[in-house]
Amino acid sequence: EVQLVESGGGLVNPGGSLRLSCAASGFTFNNVWMSWVRQAPGKGLEWIGRIISNIGGGTTDYGAPVKGRFTISRDDSKSTVYLQMNSLKTEDTAVYYCTTHVGEWWFDPWGQGTLVTVSS
Amino acid sequence: QSALTQPPSASGSPGQSVTISCTGTSSDVGGYNYVSWYQQYPGKAPKLMIYEVSKRPSGVPDRFSGSKSGNTASLTVSGLQAEDEADYYCSSYAGSNNLLFGGGTELTVL
Repeated sequence: EVQLVESGGGLVNPGGSLRLSCAASGFTFNNVWMSWVRQAPGKGLEWIGRIISNIGGGTTDYGAPVKGRFTISRDDSKSTVYLQMNSLKTEDTAVYYCTTHVGEWWFDPWGQGTLVTVSS
Repeated sequence: QSALTQPPSASGSPGQSVTISCTGTSSDVGGYNYVSWYQQYPGKAPKLMIYEVSKRPSGVPDRFSGSKSGNTASLTVSGLQAEDEADYYCSSYAGSNNLLFGGGTELTVL
């Protein structure tokens, strides 16, 4: 069974940092591209960024709201993708999902999400 | 770049059809055939329903269909069922390795 499990969410002060993890199982992780998507409370989905496979170069791309503050990385030996979040703002409060690219720009499945709250 | 525009809500009675629109620009929806639709129940993760404008993943009922005309994409749910009541989000590739989502539409089955 294909499964994605996020962890690392919690409460952090504005200006602080947090690293989220997403552990994958049930498929060959090395070959897949991964994205992070977030959803603020009561709001819509927002794409954060993606990392392509290491075979493909392992490059990353980011959405405008997080560019320069967030970094996506992967460890294929652990079938895990990470989201390093720095200089956090209150508007970064959201449920963060990791998801797998099953095509160029569409995703399935998604993890259950992990809640990040940025507040003093 | 702004989010794609969806109506906040839509509704229909069981058995009816309902169409949800997703409006963008020539730089996203109108410029690429990379429009997808996701279904999300409250407190749950999104689920892929349509990709590449009109293709359905395995397991998605054929009551769900997608289309596009110009800068507007649409999701049609035919033969509405109670289980279709959920939030629906469109997404589109927007060039330069960027993806946009719509603001979401809450579908109510009356």
